[in-house]
Amino acid sequence: DTGVSQNPRHKITKRGQNVTFRCDPISEHNRLYWYRQTLGQGPEFLTYFQNEAQLEKSRLLSDRFSAERPKGSFSTLEIQRTEQGDSAMYLCASSPINQPQHFGDGTRLSIL
Amino acid sequence: GEDVEQSLFLSVREGDSSVINCTYTDSSSTYLYWYKQEPGAGLQLLTYIFSNMDMKQDQRLTVLLNKKDKHLSLRIADTQTGDSAIYFCAERGDYKLSFGAGTTVTVRA
Repeated sequence: DTGVSQNPRHKITKRGQNVTFRCDPISEHNRLYWYRQTLGQGPEFLTYFQNEAQLEKSRLLSDRFSAERPKGSFSTLEIQRTEQGDSAMYLCASSPINQPQHFGDGTRLSIL
Repeated sequence: GEDVEQSLFLSVREGDSSVINCTYTDSSSTYLYWYKQEPGAGLQLLTYIFSNMDMKQDQRLTVLLNKKDKHLSLRIADTQTGDSAIYFCAERGDYKLSFGAGTTVTVRA
């Protein structure tokens, strides 16, 4: 068990650029979740997958955001045409069904 | 986490007990969790309690749940400097976690 791995750890980009983050969950965890955390706040749910199926998306996830989990293993989160308000820590978590979620160390996104 | 509320700060002397409190609103929550976050890191699962339990003890950690009042607490015995961090309370419904804003615990010598 190597834990949830997220890459990159930090991403700095200019406003308007596209960015993509990757999450590798714990092996054999069916569920994979994305959360966003801004300074001084707790994480907020964005979306989750069960195997390769995306089952729920928060209203926080605008149409500039897209997430995939093509083979039911790793997942990617893409943000198109980034805006200042997208600056945050993006956290990935995984779990077996109905078991506690385990989080990665996150990707910190800074928009210049 | 508008549905989960926590006090923002707690200062405690090394060796004393820390008590972090949390209130939640969703009576259908199945599990309640405590996570710890150190600077620049993700969330580390500390402990959790099923909603039909009143108490759970795990080494230095004791979780108390008052389901009637929707109140959850985490007690850390013999608090150490390594316990300085932000502690998040979270409730789980069907799948997603709803978090409080976190309690920053500072341990002073």
